[in-house]
Amino acid sequence: DAGITQSPRHKVTETGTPVTLRCHQTENHRYMYWYRQDPGHGLRLIHYSYGVKDTDKGEVSDGYSVSRSKTEDFLLTLESATSSQTSVYFCASSDAGYGYTFGSGTRLTVV
Amino acid sequence: TQLLEQSPQFLSIQEGENLTVYCNSSSVFSSLQWYRQEPGEGPVLLVTVVTGGEVKKLKRLTFQFGDARKDSSLHITAAQTGDTGLYLCAWRLREGNTPLVFGKGTRLSVIA
Repeated sequence: DAGITQSPRHKVTETGTPVTLRCHQTENHRYMYWYRQDPGHGLRLIHYSYGVKDTDKGEVSDGYSVSRSKTEDFLLTLESATSSQTSVYFCASSDAGYGYTFGSGTRLTVV
Repeated sequence: TQLLEQSPQFLSIQEGENLTVYCNSSSVFSSLQWYRQEPGEGPVLLVTVVTGGEVKKLKRLTFQFGDARKDSSLHITAAQTGDTGLYLCAWRLREGNTPLVFGKGTRLSVIA
């Protein structure tokens, strides 16, 4: 089916370990985004991409990096996971000026 | 960061009742989008409003964009249990494809 697939859906990891979350879209959208969703904060932008190898920081980018080597794939890496990065992570994609298509999210727990 | 305020934060109603939720800012929106998010899923786009005073209908949902483009409302007529979810509004700080900024949402619970 067309849309966005995030993997894994759930992950538990230890403090200090690197973690990579994957996002794959079949919409051929140019723009891709990573948000985190936390109670009391809503959805906050981590990083986004406006094309292959073109990325920029969002509101809460510290401790995160991204890569986009193909139109369809956008990876989010937590370089050294901390408990404050326990969250639900959403990937989204869009064409210019249009609404987002979201994935189903990855629930990450850092212990 | 320019804020997007949504109210109420929580709403619990009986099936069949009507309700309205709001999205407000001190800034003028170039456009505004409404999303619904169900538990365990990502948000799903409901509508985009662009023109001041615009009204759009999606079955029992009516979306209105304020004349000054600084506020928007979502009205649900005869709510059903399937309307339960988190309703989010989102806007772009600038025209073009800048990333969306989301409000914190209104969590709606419709009880049978």
